[in-house]
Amino acid sequence: DTGVSQDPRHKITKRGQNVTFRCDPISEHNRLYWYRQTLGQGPEFLTYFQNEAQLEKSRLLSDRFSAERPKGSFSTLEIQRTEQGDSAMYLCASSLAGRSDEQFFGPGTRLTVL
Amino acid sequence: GENVEQHPSTLSVQEGDSAVIKCTYSDSASNYFPWYKQELGKGPQLIIDIRSNVGEKKDQRIAVTLNKTAKHFSLHITETQPEDSAVYFCAASKGYSTLTFGKGTMLLVSP
Repeated sequence: DTGVSQDPRHKITKRGQNVTFRCDPISEHNRLYWYRQTLGQGPEFLTYFQNEAQLEKSRLLSDRFSAERPKGSFSTLEIQRTEQGDSAMYLCASSLAGRSDEQFFGPGTRLTVL
Repeated sequence: GENVEQHPSTLSVQEGDSAVIKCTYSDSASNYFPWYKQELGKGPQLIIDIRSNVGEKKDQRIAVTLNKTAKHFSLHITETQPEDSAVYFCAASKGYSTLTFGKGTMLLVSP
């Protein structure tokens, strides 16, 4: 257990529905990252926050995706109008920027879009 | 952007043998190179990392080497055990930044 938690662990939804995932980072970590991992591939960067500010978004993050970290603690990732291609593992990681490069990952949320 | 290539995609060894996984990166500005182990249904777990000012780092049975000139780095696991079986990912970043991962190596250690 790295100290990063994600909820839910699994989500099955129908195409066109909206889903929201939550990530709770290690409490003192100021950076929070979201990655997506499809079967047989390495994680791919989606977006990251430093405290409340969203500092970078990948081209993978279409306008159906939105992420927030309102108080600089937990974060949510919402996918609107889900498509079958959104099926993947969504991973959250946190780090203490300025002190360490190490990113600690949560267990992930497995999304299946039917 | 950064591109990380990882080889081999699968690796089968006998218990007690050594295993080597190799990665290359494209961006000479990258300076942080972690290795992660991922077991089925779990998130990646950091097992060792190296920074560009160091050529080699060891932690018990695990070692990582870095060749900045050739832009490649390798993971070495000695005296492999069945519990080492997992998918291993290399990654690269420019420090305090996003990670670019390789596609992973499935390591199978047979008793």
